[in-house]
Amino acid sequence: DAGVIQSPRHEVTEMGQEVTLRCKPISGHNSLFWYRQTMMRGLELLIYFNNNVPIDDSGMPEDRFSAKMPNASFSTLKIQPSEPRDSAVYFCASQDSYSNQPQHFGDGTRLSIL
Amino acid sequence: SQKIEQNSEALNIQEGKTATLTCNYTNYSPAYLQWYRQDPGRGPVFLLLIRENEKEKRKERLKVTFDTTLKQSLFHITASQPADSATYLCALQNQGGKLIFGQGTELSVKP
Repeated sequence: DAGVIQSPRHEVTEMGQEVTLRCKPISGHNSLFWYRQTMMRGLELLIYFNNNVPIDDSGMPEDRFSAKMPNASFSTLKIQPSEPRDSAVYFCASQDSYSNQPQHFGDGTRLSIL
Repeated sequence: SQKIEQNSEALNIQEGKTATLTCNYTNYSPAYLQWYRQDPGRGPVFLLLIRENEKEKRKERLKVTFDTTLKQSLFHITASQPADSATYLCALQNQGGKLIFGQGTELSVKP
């Protein structure tokens, strides 16, 4: 079975540029989560969707961050404009919340903003 | 504010011994507590979930305890192997499904 697929795996870009991270959840999962992981702050929830609808975006750091889920099989996290402090590993996870199964994580996008 | 603390120091043990990792929390009443394993360059992988009304859960060489009075969970790996070397994360979950993760404890099992 294909797991959660994230792209790109690595992204290096200059500050001020727009960055788009992509996620394909596991087929049949109705919940999708975006996390950010840094050494200082650990793994933090940014936003999550249920049935393609954003439920809680209280973890989104500022207006430069936005997330969309246009359909059940695709989500994006966008940073515009990017700043060096956005450098981190960004994870996407999906879950079948109806059966209260655990979250399944992708292998992340390592983002470096120069 | 809600706080989750795991052993900040890396844990080094000898193969065959039991590894015990600690997760303490404050200002939170979770419905569930979960443990995940994370290898370098990979996403976290779910290991075990324990409910607030359960005291202990086992899965093969893994055992988790959950003490809601002490606000603590212990995670044990018995007969540890070098392949168990990884970072282990505990996560608290309320009824809404949102997970809050600890910083993780790095475990190193030496042959």
